[in-house]
Amino acid sequence: ETGVTQSPTHLIKTRGQQVTLRCSSQSGHNTVSWYQQALGQGPQFIFQYYREEENGRGNFPPRFSGLQFPNYSSELNVNALELDDSALYLCASSLVQGQSYGYTFGSGTRLTVV
Amino acid sequence: AQSVTQLDSQVPVFEEAPVELRCNYSSSVSVYLFWYVQYPNQGLQLLLKYLSGSTLVKGINGFEAEFNKSQTSFHLRKPSVHISDTAEYFCAVRMTGGGNKLTFGTGTQLKVEL
Repeated sequence: ETGVTQSPTHLIKTRGQQVTLRCSSQSGHNTVSWYQQALGQGPQFIFQYYREEENGRGNFPPRFSGLQFPNYSSELNVNALELDDSALYLCASSLVQGQSYGYTFGSGTRLTVV
Repeated sequence: AQSVTQLDSQVPVFEEAPVELRCNYSSSVSVYLFWYVQYPNQGLQLLLKYLSGSTLVKGINGFEAEFNKSQTSFHLRKPSVHISDTAEYFCAVRMTGGGNKLTFGTGTQLKVEL
């Protein structure tokens, strides 16, 4: 197993800028989800991609967008950054098999907006 | 919609003592239940999950959890903790009938002391 790899590990951006976070899924996994974990909070679901299409979204504005590529790697893009976007962003990959699949999480990207 | 409540934000315990971390959930549909551990500056690692069958679930590192449908609870237990168990623990749920997202609680910080 290759695990889930996220890059970069840390990032500092200025309010109003745009950012792209990257995720390489675990080998054989065809689904990727993104979560935002603010300091002292549990992760919050942003969205999920399956076969390169978004197929589930949490309560996040449209300036949060994503892509999934044919090799199942993924990007999270955030436009017009706000101070409250400062958080740990976690990527999780999974293999859809019936209704009981597991998730493998990456170590996350720590985004700080100043 | 589902929600998860972890009433204890911090649980201090002495090494080799037993510990229980509490998790209650609310959902209008059947759910799968998960416990994850997060060490400092790392992503989430799955401890155990309840999908169906026996209500007592055993996981990694000596942890176990019991699903109680009438109490809507899924408490995590370990009979004897070690210093290395110091971490943040998250309870999460996912709908069984479809849907993709995990809904997390706010986490419990377990601090094991000598």
